[in-house]
Amino acid sequence: GENVEQHPSTLSVQEGDSAVIKCTYSDSASNYFPWYKQELGKRPQLIIDIRSNVGEKKDQRIAVTLNKTAKHFSLHITETQPEDSAVYFCAASTGYNKLIFGAGTRLAVHP
Amino acid sequence: DVKVTQSSRYLVKRTGEKVFLECVQDMDHENMFWYRQDPGLGLRLIYFSYDVKMKEKGDIPEGYSVSREKKERFSLILESASTNQTSMYLCASSLGTLTGGYTFGSGTRLTVV
Repeated sequence: GENVEQHPSTLSVQEGDSAVIKCTYSDSASNYFPWYKQELGKRPQLIIDIRSNVGEKKDQRIAVTLNKTAKHFSLHITETQPEDSAVYFCAASTGYNKLIFGAGTRLAVHP
Repeated sequence: DVKVTQSSRYLVKRTGEKVFLECVQDMDHENMFWYRQDPGLGLRLIYFSYDVKMKEKGDIPEGYSVSREKKERFSLILESASTNQTSMYLCASSLGTLTGGYTFGSGTRLTVV
């Protein structure tokens, strides 16, 4: 079945720096790649997603890139702010629209 | 504005008890999912359903079963709770095309003693 690996597990940056989180997937048939943000004690929330027919997508300070050949995709956050501190999960879809998630990255943005 | 509701936020159960976790969505979504979330392991899929009375095993179905008698409700059942089932359980729903991704419930933190 599908396997999604996510790195790093923890990431610490200074406010205003950029943050990059990387994921690789195993099933070449996967065609949908969302990213979720989970703040402490809250439910995961979708922040951006990309489909396999697109190489890059941006939404203000957040961007996602996809390399289908290498089977990896990345989340880029620019001009980080303390409110970006959270756990971020990548995921990939495979069959019946189910999502397989990575293990998560705990991002800390220090003022 | 809550769209996916899980019946309990916190539960404490004894080993061997039968446990029911309930999830209700009001968005007319076809797909519903149960995940468990453990530190360092991310979200692991237990079971999912893409239609009423339909169910499919996820990656870690052992010790669990599910029921979907109505489109809006998806129940997770622990037949005989064990301490290794202590975890955060998240319910989610989505459209069949995954447009808009998942909508998650607030989660149920289950402790089995």
